[in-house]
Amino acid sequence: AQRVTQPEKLLSVFKGAPVELKCNYSYSGSPELFWYVQYSRQRLQLLLRHISRESIKGFTADLNKGETSFHLKKPFAQEEDSAMYYCALRPYSGAGSYQLTFGKGTKLSVIP
Amino acid sequence: DVKVTQSSRYLVKRTGEKVFLECVQDMDHENMFWYRQDPGLGLRLIYFSYDVKMKEKGDIPEGYSVSREKKERFSLILESASTNQTSMYLCASSNRQGVLSYNEQFFGPGTRLTVL
Repeated sequence: AQRVTQPEKLLSVFKGAPVELKCNYSYSGSPELFWYVQYSRQRLQLLLRHISRESIKGFTADLNKGETSFHLKKPFAQEEDSAMYYCALRPYSGAGSYQLTFGKGTKLSVIP
Repeated sequence: DVKVTQSSRYLVKRTGEKVFLECVQDMDHENMFWYRQDPGLGLRLIYFSYDVKMKEKGDIPEGYSVSREKKERFSLILESASTNQTSMYLCASSNRQGVLSYNEQFFGPGTRLTVL
């Protein structure tokens, strides 16, 4: 069975400092990885997925299969980045798999 | 714009009551999901459905059942509510466009259920 680990429950950084939210996974096959974000009083929403290889709101994440990691990074944190971040994995079964396995989440707090 | 709505934002029930949580989506999505969200535990999948009248158990189905009689509606049922089912419940939906492709899950606002 697959597992997603986010080692930090809470991460506090100062505005303008770099941010790295860690995500490690265990899965024997080839997974798809995602980051979801939940801002205060808002719905959970997709932030980015590894196959897109894009930057969203200044965030990037690279899938490192050797280290089985998918860390979320941003060079300069903004106050509006304060939110709950969840890493998620979709096992690529080739037969149509719609389930996601989520990590426990990291609460990012950006200090003004 | 995808809209996933849940019948209640807050719900308070007593132990042993039967509880219905309703979720409706307006984008003709095939897939629907129920999660519970607990601090320190993240999101855990309770049940999901990829078609009308179809259902699959997720990671924590015990104590819950679901119903999907219409494509747009997915109900979560707590047959006999217990205090350990106090939680935030999130519904989500996604379309099924291509067997090998993943399609984003869109989430509802959540129902905070308290069982006394």
